[in-house]
Order: sequence, then structure tokens, then C-alpha cells
Amino acid sequence: ETGVTQSPTHLIKTRGQQVTLRCSSQSGHNTVSWYQQALGQGPQFIFQYYREEENGRGNFPPRFSGLQFPNYSSELNVNALELDDSALYLCASSFTSYNEQFFGPGTRLTVL
Amino acid sequence: GQQVMQIPQYQHVQEGEDFTTYCNSSTTLSNIQWYKQRPGGHPVFLIQLVKSGEVKKQKRLTFQFGEAKKNSSLHITATQTTDVGTYFCAGTYNTDKLIFGTGTRLQVFP
Repeated sequence: ETGVTQSPTHLIKTRGQQVTLRCSSQSGHNTVSWYQQALGQGPQFIFQYYREEENGRGNFPPRFSGLQFPNYSSELNVNALELDDSALYLCASSFTSYNEQFFGPGTRLTVL
Repeated sequence: GQQVMQIPQYQHVQEGEDFTTYCNSSTTLSNIQWYKQRPGGHPVFLIQLVKSGEVKKQKRLTFQFGEAKKNSSLHITATQTTDVGTYFCAGTYNTDKLIFGTGTRLQVFP
């Protein structure tokens, strides 16, 4: 196990709702990245946080937002949920952005 | 935009056979990482390659980074049923974004 935890493990929402996903990074890691993985696809980079500041963003709309806290845990918020947001959301922590990523088990989000 | 393609998409092998997956980028990579994701699991880091032409080995796994830093490969010798999963390469392009490849799903029959 990596020491990265995510909650909840599963979530069902309806279109238009908002969701908050949480991630606790591995001890000593100050960088957290979030990914969206649709079924049968590779993880897609959403954004990365380094010491509480956003440090890079992928091709995701502004309704995907995040936070990193002083203890380096992190949140991913998604507003106005769409059906296509159904996916596995993975968070990964690392020492730096270029180091190996330690992934959590993911949150499976289903939007109906 | 930057894309990382992998071939093949799927590979079914008999236990004991070798397996290779190839990763190609349209532009030069800063570094490349390889991950394995078991069915129902999350990606697990295998290795990182940084230098042009670099070759690294982990027991039955051999990783290569191309001379132009645009391609990479993972070769597994004498596959075992424990090798089952999807293998992803993931590269960076002088940014902090890790771009994952499309993945190669390996199935090993006993």
C-alpha cells in the first residue's frame, strides 16, 4: 500500500449536483495530483498542487477545482456534474512533480 | 497537443512467452515513467527513465528510453500470471503535467 488514502470509495450523484472528493497524501509528500480515469482509458491529468498552490492544470473546465491544505491533504471539487464526469478519480502524491507518483485507491463517481 | 500512444492495445500470451509494449510521443519527452494497473486497482509505479538511450532492468522486466527521447518500451521475459494488468507509460514535457499513454492490457493464460 502507498499510504495515500481517498474518500469516499464510491459515490453516486445526479446531473447538475456538486461533489467533493478527498485525498490524504503520503507522509512527507508536498505535491498532489488529481487524475480522471474513464473506463478502459489511461488517467487524464486534471491539476496538481504544490505547497497549497496550483502548479499545473490539464484540459479540464473551471468547474473542476481543487484545494491543498497545510497538511498537504487535498480536495477535488466538481460543480454542475455531467454524465461524462462518471469515472474513477485518482489522486497521487509525490516528493516533487517529476518524481514517481504514489496513487491512492481512487473514488468511483457515477453521475446519473 | 502532446500525446502518448501505446501499442498494442491488448496482448494475450501463454504463460512463459515474452511480452513487449511500445510507447511513442509526438514530441521529445523530459522523462518517462511506467506504471502497472491491476484490474480494479490503481496505477503502481514501476520505473522512471530520464537519459537518452537509458536501459533499466527489474528482474524479468526491461525498460528502454529511445535515443531521441520520443519512444520507450517495456519488455517482460517469460510472463507469469501475476503479470496480468494494464501497463501505462507516462511522460512529462518540461511541465509538471504527467501525460499517460493509452495503455496496453496484458492477459496471460496458464
